[in-house]
Amino acid sequence: QQQVKQSPQSLIVQKGGISIINCAYENTAFDYFPWYQQFPGKGPALLIAIRPDVSEKKEGRFTISFNKSAKQFSLHIMDSQPGDSATYFCAARADSWGKFQFGAGTQVVVTP
Amino acid sequence: NAGVTQTPKFQVLKTGQSMTLQCAQDMNHEYMSWYRQDPGMGLRLIHYSVGAGITDQGEVPNGYNVSRSTTEDFPLRLLSAAPSQTSVYFCASSRINSGANVLTFGAGSRLTVL
Repeated sequence: QQQVKQSPQSLIVQKGGISIINCAYENTAFDYFPWYQQFPGKGPALLIAIRPDVSEKKEGRFTISFNKSAKQFSLHIMDSQPGDSATYFCAARADSWGKFQFGAGTQVVVTP
Repeated sequence: NAGVTQTPKFQVLKTGQSMTLQCAQDMNHEYMSWYRQDPGMGLRLIHYSVGAGITDQGEVPNGYNVSRSTTEDFPLRLLSAAPSQTSVYFCASSRINSGANVLTFGAGSRLTVL
């Protein structure tokens, strides 16, 4: 049973468009919510992260929106580029040691 | 800086064989962990360690053993491989930080069990 539910499983967006990936969680003890980006044949790498006392965080074209009451958070990729084509994972930290629960992943394809 | 190094990158085993996936990091990270990645399942934690001599189970520990004799190394042992263990395995490490843990992942080890 996945503690972090991620949707959609895949999405195709045109260059210049907006990609939106959503995640929902149940455990209110989660205290840190990163997003990881993974290119084929590589390990995931941290993209952007947010703490639950903040409702939005923006880094360049990537924005996390966080809704603590709804226990949901989402990644928005603005002005999507072909180089953004990758698999994106949301995650939630279960304890301060660094144990994370990951979502199932979203494969994003940006067409030229 | 090499980061997290995993070997081998690819391995094919027969059912019942044993093997060890190696993981080494050169960042002096206290926390090390093993995940498996399967389609539609995301990354699932197998085992983790918060320092030399300390290990604990994650979500899917059955069929796997770990040990942590040094800060740098965290090998994952498959005792008797089964087809259900066909997967891509990732080792990840981080500093233990109550603020913001950043997991650094290796490039992965793709294992096929026939």
